Formats: sequence, structure tokens, C-alpha cells
Amino acid sequence: NAGVTQTPKFQVLKTGQSMTLQCAQDMNHEYMSWYRQDPGMGLRLIHYSVGAGITDQGEVPNGYNVSRSTTEDFPLRLLSAAPSQTSVYFCASSYSMDRDSPLHFGNGTRLTVT
Amino acid sequence: GENVEQHPSTLSVQEGDSAVIKCTYSDSASNYFPWYKQELGKGPQLIIDIRSNVGEKKDQRIAVTLNKTAKHFSLHITETQPEDSAVYFCAATPGSGGGADGLTFGKGTHLIIQP
Repeated sequence: NAGVTQTPKFQVLKTGQSMTLQCAQDMNHEYMSWYRQDPGMGLRLIHYSVGAGITDQGEVPNGYNVSRSTTEDFPLRLLSAAPSQTSVYFCASSYSMDRDSPLHFGNGTRLTVT
Repeated sequence: GENVEQHPSTLSVQEGDSAVIKCTYSDSASNYFPWYKQELGKGPQLIIDIRSNVGEKKDQRIAVTLNKTAKHFSLHITETQPEDSAVYFCAATPGSGGGADGLTFGKGTHLIIQP
């Protein structure tokens, strides 16, 4: 059971480039989300999805797009990377948004934008 | 929205001693308070959680206490061991169901266990 898998682990982009961070879970979880982690800032929610075909914005959505075409996958797209998007990105999932459904995190993607 | 403050940002304790990390929250409707441990190079992992209908919960060497009147909750680790060294995050949510709904994280505490 792989849990939440994120790829790549590391990525370096130039300003203006685009890329997609991949996230897949094999636990049949309805809820998936993306967080960014910056020093001294904790974990901040970017986008989330409560099921296939449904997405919504979190606390810091600007500069990021998401889609949820399947239950398993929830990619995060950076259309035009900026240095302010240098961060560690975590994907997380849970069975639902209800009680007794803890979040399971992937191991992160470290992104550097130069 | 909810605001979660976490202290201290760094905590260094001798192996075998106890460690306490404290969090305060702003939204009196919050009813679910999880704690996550993040080891170097890995994602956060849930270690314990508490709901607003209880005041304390224990799991072996770790315990969490909740004071709803004062709007603060704490993580207690006893008999600390080297493998307890990590970053710990508290979180709170006023979501109607708890879980991932509206979870707001504190900024984290780097716990260092000195041999």
C-alpha cells in the first residue's frame, strides 16, 4: 500500500516556466489537498477537492491550478513560475472531510524557482 | 477565520526529560485538534488528536490536553528519546465534522532531543 505518492521529489524551474506536480493516492480517499510549507509559516492550504470533478480554493490559491479527473490523482499546475513559489509542496488525502478521517501526507516536492 | 498560534518555535530538551508544546486558537467553534510530527525529508504524520468533548487524551508517552475556556491545547511528551526529534505541528478546525474540513495549522515547533 503506497499511500500518497508525490513526484518529483525535487525540481528547479526558471521564472516563467510551467510545470505540474503529481499526486496520487491508492486509498480510495475522497478528499485531496495541496499545501505549501515555508520556513516560519507552517502549512498553508492551496487548493482542495472533495471528490472527482470538484475543486475549491484554499488560503493561498493564486498562481496555481488544479483538476480532479479521477479519484486517485490530483495534480497541481504552475502556469508561470515565480520565485515566490519556491517552497516545499505537500499533497494530502483523507477518506472524507468528516471526523475520524485523518489527513495522510505525501513526502513532498521541493521546488526552487530561480 | 481560525488563527492558530504555536509556541515555542524551537525546543531543546535532554533525553529522558519531558517536552511541552503549546497552541492557542481563536475560533471558539473549533472542535477538533490534531497534532502532526514531521521528520526530516518526510511529510507530516498524525500522532494524536483530541476532540472538544474531552479534556485529555494519552497514547503511551504522548498526551494532549485541551482547555476550551482558555482556547488552548498542549502536547506533552514524556521520557523523550532521540527519535522524538522532529518538527511538530498543531492544528484546529471549526469544521462541522472535524477531520480535514477547514484545518488550520500552527507554524511548527522544532523539537531537539539532546543526548
